[in-house]
Amino acid sequence: DSGVTQTPKHLITATGQRVTLRCSPRSGDLSVYWYQQSLDQGLQFLIQYYNGEERAKGNILERFSAQQFPDLHSELNLSSLELGDSALYFCASSVALYNSPLHFGNGTRLTVT
Amino acid sequence: AQKVTQAQTEISVVEKEDVTLDCVYETRDTTYYLFWYKQPPSGELVFLIRRNSFDEQNEISGRYSWNFQKSTSSFNFTITASQVVDSAVYFCALRAGGSYIPTFGRGTSLIVHP
Repeated sequence: DSGVTQTPKHLITATGQRVTLRCSPRSGDLSVYWYQQSLDQGLQFLIQYYNGEERAKGNILERFSAQQFPDLHSELNLSSLELGDSALYFCASSVALYNSPLHFGNGTRLTVT
Repeated sequence: AQKVTQAQTEISVVEKEDVTLDCVYETRDTTYYLFWYKQPPSGELVFLIRRNSFDEQNEISGRYSWNFQKSTSSFNFTITASQVVDSAVYFCALRAGGSYIPTFGRGTSLIVHP
């Protein structure tokens, strides 16, 4: 158990809808990362927060947004969903910004129908 | 720019065979960190090891060993006497210099047949 909690585990929704994925980092970890994993794209970095502030942005679509709250949990909001957004979404946390390993949650499997 | 190449997309072995997963990295930074992660069929990503650029000592943990060679920019992972439970996708990753974000390879799918 990595100590990172992601909910829900599975999500099935229709095109055009909006969903929120939630992540609680490991105790003591200030940095949260979101990744998207699809079969053809591998692990794609979306966005990173550190202690409530956005620190880095990857290939995150404008339809997607995220935030990290004062209690350090994070949410990833996906709107106007398309079939291509179906993927496994991972949250990870780390204690430091640069050199520490990422510890991943179990992921949220999103299916858009 | 940073890059991680895992040229082996899929490896298939029979139980008890030794198998080596290759990882080649590119970075101009002199300070960097290399990682391996395992993703079993259940889907979670599990951290296996971290290595920094100043420590070229090989590491062994049970049946797992890692060979870090700066001269060839490689950080290879060997599983000795593979078991069916080793079947997973293995990812190599690099964190270099002041980059906040790890760069992951595309992963190598290891299938161990009984």
